[in-house]
Amino acid sequence: EVQLVQSGAEVKKPGESLRISCKYSGDSFSNRWIVWVRQSPGKGLECMGIIYPSDSDTRYSPSFLGQVTLSVDKSMSTAYLEWSSLKASDTAMYYCAKTRSANGYSDFDYWGQGTLVTVSS
Amino acid sequence: EIVLTQSPATLSLSPGERATLSCRASQGISNYLAWYQQKPGQAPRLLIYDASNRATGIPARFSGSGSGTDFTLTISSLEPEDFAVYYCQQRTVWLTFGGGTKVEIK
Repeated sequence: EVQLVQSGAEVKKPGESLRISCKYSGDSFSNRWIVWVRQSPGKGLECMGIIYPSDSDTRYSPSFLGQVTLSVDKSMSTAYLEWSSLKASDTAMYYCAKTRSANGYSDFDYWGQGTLVTVSS
Repeated sequence: EIVLTQSPATLSLSPGERATLSCRASQGISNYLAWYQQKPGQAPRLLIYDASNRATGIPARFSGSGSGTDFTLTISSLEPEDFAVYYCQQRTVWLTFGGGTKVEIK
């Protein structure tokens, strides 16, 4: 069975850097896209970007381009979401998910459990 | 950007009643629409893809319909575990979600 297991909750200060992870198991890591989704407190869902592990092809939402970096380590079947300088407005729950189809523009059939990121001085 | 507008924001119903949730797209998206259920403290769960196809393991009481700009998720008879927030998501121009409909116990 496919599983995505995310790293644990983080508490950071504004200006600090952070990388969170999403470990994939149960199927081939390379033939589906991984998406990162932000859910701010009490708000809805936003797709931040998608990455294709096979060749690291990456697409970003215009809202998040330049704000975060997506990457993968194929040898570890793990995807990463990274910030170089956090802001208070980055406080949110972050989910990784797998696309149902090989097309990056897809829906998402398996999700990680979420990583809560809190940014506060 | 394609904007998805869900209505109503909140639906107050009793177990056993029928729930009808709406999702309207700001431009035509063919049938490229999915529905998700999210319960407190949990990740979203895929219910319906391509407007009307149930995802693996989803009960038959959940059904989806529509194409173009207007879509509907119907829960034929609400079970206690169905009270949650429901989101629609399109996959044509980028990937965007609607604002959600909360189905609460009346």
